[in-house]
Amino acid sequence: QQQVKQSPQSLIVQKGGIPIINCAYENTAFDYFPWYQQFPGKGPALLIAIRPDVSEKKEGRFTISFNKSAKQFSLHIMDSQPGDSATYFCAASMLSGAQKLVFGQGTRLTINP
Amino acid sequence: SAVISQKPSRDICQRGTSLTIQCQVDSQVTMMFWYRQQPGQSLTLIATANQGSEATYESGFVIDKFPISRPNLTFSTLTVSNMSPEDSSIYLCSVLPGSSGNTIYFGEGSWLTVV
Repeated sequence: QQQVKQSPQSLIVQKGGIPIINCAYENTAFDYFPWYQQFPGKGPALLIAIRPDVSEKKEGRFTISFNKSAKQFSLHIMDSQPGDSATYFCAASMLSGAQKLVFGQGTRLTINP
Repeated sequence: SAVISQKPSRDICQRGTSLTIQCQVDSQVTMMFWYRQQPGQSLTLIATANQGSEATYESGFVIDKFPISRPNLTFSTLTVSNMSPEDSSIYLCSVLPGSSGNTIYFGEGSWLTVV
């Protein structure tokens, strides 16, 4: 019930391509879905987040698509750049509760020049 | 936002010893958490550090192994006790400021290697 499943584990895309990372959750009580970006040797940093009352949220080149009925959400990176190469984690939490983040397994993204 | 400082940033520890990791935040925060990230893996919540009371531990983590303190709203410590090579991980402090919406911020992590 607490799991968040993320795929793919790794992804290689050419510069300018649109990598897509997918996540699925089971617990319908989750109501906050952030994406974190982590560079080697650094802590995770919030990239973008969405609540289940909207189906899409865009911030710059990053877009979250959310499908409440399917309990799935995904991250799209438009016009990807080599500097986007990092590990991406989806997560979920319950805002009304202890607000503990449950993380997906992570996706190691490589953008080739 | 919140600026989080963790010490040490990296250490090599002997098997059987204990190490205390410090987490200092630049402002008072509502909630503080400790996560573990094993090499190449995802983040797993160890516990929620409660100000002035005992931490709330997640399944699989116990106070005797990971004692936590939070004496005030800006500081917390995590001790990794009686370390074994399986404890080699990145330990991350994270905070929910409460004043900036729902964003949870992470420190840079403390990289522990147990030999």
